[in-house]
Amino acid sequence: TQLLEQSPQFLSIQEGENLTVYCNSSSVFSSLQWYRQEPGEGPVLLVTVVTGGEVKKLKRLTFQFGDARKDSSLHITAAQPGDTGLYLCAGVDYGQNFVFGPGTRLSVLP
Amino acid sequence: GAVVSQHPSRVICKSGTSVKIECRSLDFQATTMFWYRQFPKQSLMLMATSNEGSKATYEQGVEKDKFLINHASLTLSTLTVTSAHPEDSSFYICSAAQGSYGYTFGSGTRLTVV
Repeated sequence: TQLLEQSPQFLSIQEGENLTVYCNSSSVFSSLQWYRQEPGEGPVLLVTVVTGGEVKKLKRLTFQFGDARKDSSLHITAAQPGDTGLYLCAGVDYGQNFVFGPGTRLSVLP
Repeated sequence: GAVVSQHPSRVICKSGTSVKIECRSLDFQATTMFWYRQFPKQSLMLMATSNEGSKATYEQGVEKDKFLINHASLTLSTLTVTSAHPEDSSFYICSAAQGSYGYTFGSGTRLTVV
């Protein structure tokens, strides 16, 4: 059974601070995706990482896929209140099976 | 980009009645759609995989007679919660995959059974 773990589970920080969210698994994935979900809405895709060691940047967000394709991190620089939400990582295995992590609930206080 | 429309966004129904939730892919064809359930402050839990023209595949522990899924066309999948009870109250979300765009999610349906 595949399992994705995310840490931390909850994070509350002040505006302007930096943070990193981790997504870990013992399984190897063909790709990994990060989503952000706001209350009452469906998740919105932020990025897909495919290559081991890959780093992608989306404005203040930096995503990294581990060399072994088992883990990923999301780093936010100078967090803003608009970054508040539930961040979900999702792994896709080579059988096209899709599994979500439990999520990291981020709260950025003004 | 791919757009998935989910309707209704909110529904309140009486215990014992049935509720139908629609999930449409607006600008692409989706042979496979997914239905998730999300409890407050928790992640998404896959309920079933909806396959166009064939029976849905349900995850372990999900009652197929309780949660009826129909995927009659390449752009529409429906989830019907039959004989709803208060414990069925939840946030239901559908998604569809479109090649390299990844998985696009609907905006979700908040079901409240009273």
